[in-house]
Amino acid sequence: DIQMTQSPSSVSASVGDRVTITCRASQDISSWLAWYQQKPGKAPKLLIYAASSLQSGVPSRFSGSGSGTDFTLTISSLHPEDFATYYCQQANSFLTFGGGTKVEIK
Amino acid sequence: QLQLQESGPGLVKPSETLSVTCTVSGGSISSSSYYWGWIRQSLGKGLEWIGTIYYSGSTYYNLSLKSRVTISVDTSKNQFSLKLSSVTAADTAIYYCARHWRLRYFDLWGRGTLVTVSS
Repeated sequence: DIQMTQSPSSVSASVGDRVTITCRASQDISSWLAWYQQKPGKAPKLLIYAASSLQSGVPSRFSGSGSGTDFTLTISSLHPEDFATYYCQQANSFLTFGGGTKVEIK
Repeated sequence: QLQLQESGPGLVKPSETLSVTCTVSGGSISSSSYYWGWIRQSLGKGLEWIGTIYYSGSTYYNLSLKSRVTISVDTSKNQFSLKLSSVTAADTAIYYCARHWRLRYFDLWGRGTLVTVSS
């Protein structure tokens, strides 16, 4: 199995801050990576696919980058509705998710 | 607008078989563009892909669960189903069904259903 490691596991930030979350794959996954946002009591929501493509309807303050084994999700300016947990997911060989990064209010 | 809704018993006894069904509304499960998947989320293991099915019946399973999992589809009812046998407390989780786009990404999810394994 391909292991996905996210860091940090949690981050405290304020509205307007720039937030960066990283995801590392245990082997090369090319650009087969997605990012999801999950709010308490809700299902995950697809934000980014193919490492850097923005899913329809997702605000442009979200962006993704990377290829191979190292990937980044950036929120350019944190909005109140962005406080949530974010997961990466590799789609190269079967499917596995990262452990999640909780973005909390500072 | 396409929607997915999980249904099933909230409580299953250890060693029995867990069964959950996903009903797709607002669109056809027989779309050639999409697959249909199951993912679970537990406190201990985060998000875990269980398996995926195409409307034709082709299936793809997580190797770690494959020996216990069966996913089936009923196109006449626009539903697909998950069966997980020989369950233990470790199978307690929220079970989500989702649309599996390009067999890569989950672009539409159901609300999830909590299944607890307990005697």
